[in-house]
Parts: sequence; structure tokens; C-alpha cells
Amino acid sequence: GQQLNQSPQSMFIQEGEDVSMNCTSSSIFNTWLWYKQDPGEGPVLLIALYKAGELTSNGRLTAQFGITRKDSFLNISASIPSDVGIYFCAGPYNAGNMLTFGGGTRLMVKP
Amino acid sequence: DTGVSQDPRHKITKRGQNVTFRCDPISEHNRLYWYRQTLGQGPEFLTYFQNEAQLEKSRLLSDRFSAERPKGSFSTLEIQRTEQGDSAMYLCASSFPPLAGFPSGANVLTFGAGSRLTVL
Repeated sequence: GQQLNQSPQSMFIQEGEDVSMNCTSSSIFNTWLWYKQDPGEGPVLLIALYKAGELTSNGRLTAQFGITRKDSFLNISASIPSDVGIYFCAGPYNAGNMLTFGGGTRLMVKP
Repeated sequence: DTGVSQDPRHKITKRGQNVTFRCDPISEHNRLYWYRQTLGQGPEFLTYFQNEAQLEKSRLLSDRFSAERPKGSFSTLEIQRTEQGDSAMYLCASSFPPLAGFPSGANVLTFGAGSRLTVL
């Protein structure tokens, strides 16, 4: 089946630091999505990417759709305590009818 | 509130009992999805509907799992004869269908807060 590999699995950083995480796939995707999940809640969409090479920002978050269409990156600048959570990448599988998720990157921010 | 609603948020049951979860999607969305998420993992696709039609159900975990969307609005996910391994968060999501000018929009799922199942 389709697999998305996220790295790192977890990060423990100091408030104010920048964060970078990535996601790779064995297959080509035509859409990349980044979600954040807080404990006990459902995932919330952060950024959607639709074109290879696309760079999109949402506040302090910036995501890029890799040129090979097999990877994507998410950067968070000047982290704050509320950035704590699990970040998931996702992409469509099976003709776009099934969104497949990576295993997540758990971010912890020390005030 | 125009988001995706799920009920109940938490369910504790004994092994062997049947449980049912309900999902009310965003009203403008005609696609509805069910996912399962176990601790430390990403959400895992189970099934999806477009209107009342269940278009993919091969990923349902066993024949004890079934989903319905009889009127194309809310959906239910039922687990019969629950087992301890069924303990997980069950997530519902909805989206627009693929549109001629924006087919990738169907991939943008809005999730509910989930229903957490604990089987004792």
C-alpha cells in the first residue's frame, strides 16, 4: 500500500526556534496536505499544495511541494508554545479518493 | 457551527457489544469519509461516500465494520461484536466532490473531533 514517511518522528525545541520537517513518498502525488492535530481532537488543515515546486505560506508556516513530486517540507518559524502538537503530511491515493497520512511528527516546545 | 460533528466523543464498551458512531458533515460537502487512528499513528482510511453511495469499502477492517449514509447527509459507522483491538479514535471527514476546474479540491478533507472508543 501507499506509504508516507515523515521525519523526524519527534522534536523538542526551545520557544523561538525555527522547525523543519519533511515527508517522502515512494509514489508521485499531485497534491500534498499538511495537518496539525492537538490531543483529543481531529486533524486541522494547515496548508494545501497543488503544484510541483509550489511554496505556500500560512502565517509562520511555510510548506513546499517537492520538484520530484515525491516529497514535501513544512517549516515553522519562531515557534511558540501553541505550536505543540502532531503534524501530519497527507496525499491522495487510489485516483485521489483516499487521503493517505504519514506517521506524524510530534513537536514539543519548551517555553 | 458549520464544521463536521461527531457523536459520541467518547464511548466505553465491553468486549462483544455493538457500538455506533454518528457523523454530520459540512452541509455543502457531498463526500464523507471514515478514518481510524490508533495511538501514535496517522489516520487510516476506512471507507467513503459520495452522497448516499458508498464508493470504497474494501479498507473496512473486517465484516464487523459497516457504514451507512442513507439520505446522503449524516453517516453512521457500526462495529459489531467489539474486540479490544477496536479501541481507537474514529474520525469522520467531509469534502467537496472533484470539480471540473478544481479536481484536487476533493482531497482537502475537513475532519471532525473524532469519537474515541475504548473496549474493555
